[in-house]
Amino acid sequence: QKEVEQNSGPLSVPEGAIASLNCTYSDRGSQSFFWYRQYSGKSPELIMFIYSNGDKEDGRFTAQLNKASQYVSLLIRDSQPSDSATYLCAVTNQAGTALIFGKGTTLSVSS
Amino acid sequence: DAGVIQSPRHEVTEMGQEVTLRCKPISGHDYLFWYRQTMMRGLELLIYFNNNVPIDDSGMPEDRFSAKMPNASFSTLKIQPSEPRDSAVYFCASSFPGTGGYTFGSGTRLTVV
Repeated sequence: QKEVEQNSGPLSVPEGAIASLNCTYSDRGSQSFFWYRQYSGKSPELIMFIYSNGDKEDGRFTAQLNKASQYVSLLIRDSQPSDSATYLCAVTNQAGTALIFGKGTTLSVSS
Repeated sequence: DAGVIQSPRHEVTEMGQEVTLRCKPISGHDYLFWYRQTMMRGLELLIYFNNNVPIDDSGMPEDRFSAKMPNASFSTLKIQPSEPRDSAVYFCASSFPGTGGYTFGSGTRLTVV
């Protein structure tokens, strides 16, 4: 199965700082890229998606995509304790019909 | 909309027993996915359906696992016989075609003792 790699963390940042989460993927055929957030004991919820190379901003979140390097990242500005969660990177399979998830990076924001 | 509904929320069963997990997708969503999540392996895609038809079951770990979608509003994942290594959280998700905006159910935490 195609792979999606993330550092498991934990990534610890102080409140107000920028958190940077990274992801690499192995399938060059992947066309769409997603970030999900999962609180402990809860189900994943979609934060952002990106299809084109470059940056996409949504509030405090910025997704970055570099298809040549097979690299996706998520920046969280002005991190809040409520951002403490596991962040899952996901990419579409070649058919574009299903998502393959990384194991996630745990983020801890301290107040 | 009530979202994706899974039942039961928790299931504890003895090794060798049959386990059936249930899922009701969001009305109008054409795709339904079954995932399994463990600490070691993360979120693994088991099988997915499009318009009630199984598209890819290559993630189903063994013949002990089977899934059905008899209609657009109901799917089951069955494990028979169950083993301790099947212990995990099983998620069902649904989506519109061509989007990655999955809506996940609350999951079923399965413990096989």
